[in-house]
Amino acid sequence: EDQVTQSPEALRLQEGESSSLNCSYTVSGLRGLFWYRQDPGKGPEFLFTLYSAGEEKEKERLKATLTKKESFLHITAPKPEDSATYLCAVQQGTSYDKVIFGPGTSLSVIP
Amino acid sequence: ETGVTQSPTHLIKTRGQQVTLRCSSQSGHNTVSWYQQALGQGPQFIFQYYREEENGRGNFPPRFSGLQFPNYSSELNVNALELDDSALYLCATSAGAYIETQYFGPGTRLLVL
Repeated sequence: EDQVTQSPEALRLQEGESSSLNCSYTVSGLRGLFWYRQDPGKGPEFLFTLYSAGEEKEKERLKATLTKKESFLHITAPKPEDSATYLCAVQQGTSYDKVIFGPGTSLSVIP
Repeated sequence: ETGVTQSPTHLIKTRGQQVTLRCSSQSGHNTVSWYQQALGQGPQFIFQYYREEENGRGNFPPRFSGLQFPNYSSELNVNALELDDSALYLCATSAGAYIETQYFGPGTRLLVL
């Protein structure tokens, strides 16, 4: 069965304490893997797209990497404003009905 | 802030009722997708409209239906509401059917009692 899992479910970091979030997937014919940030009461905000194993993307304190079965979102020296839920999603082929979101990781960064 | 707006922000309905949720598109975006996000879960794809035609549908029953208007705004209609329909309903608009260019609205929180 195609599915996307994320770990940990929740993560609490001290400001400046770097860590990684994991997204594991079991889908065939991966077209792309996407990372989003979602703040409470808001819709998801697009962060990155990764298309092939070995690819990396960076944005400020965030770096996303992709292997054949999982993706990592590395957060370097996080700040309290990085607190949010981080969602990953995978897409098979070009059909929207093949977009599968993971449940998300809730990140809290404590000053 | 994206240019995608949704109304209403919150809604309470009772089981068996019907509901209509609305989404206004960001300027220049001709594609709209609707998602259901249950508490603590990721969004689930309901369907997509491209230039007023349905362009893909997820695993949702026919009582979930939609419309896209010539100005690319959209409606999601849900008939015969069930308790499990309680969720955050998100719309996302894009210029073309590419998920990378999607901008999400803030969502409508629906509670079915």
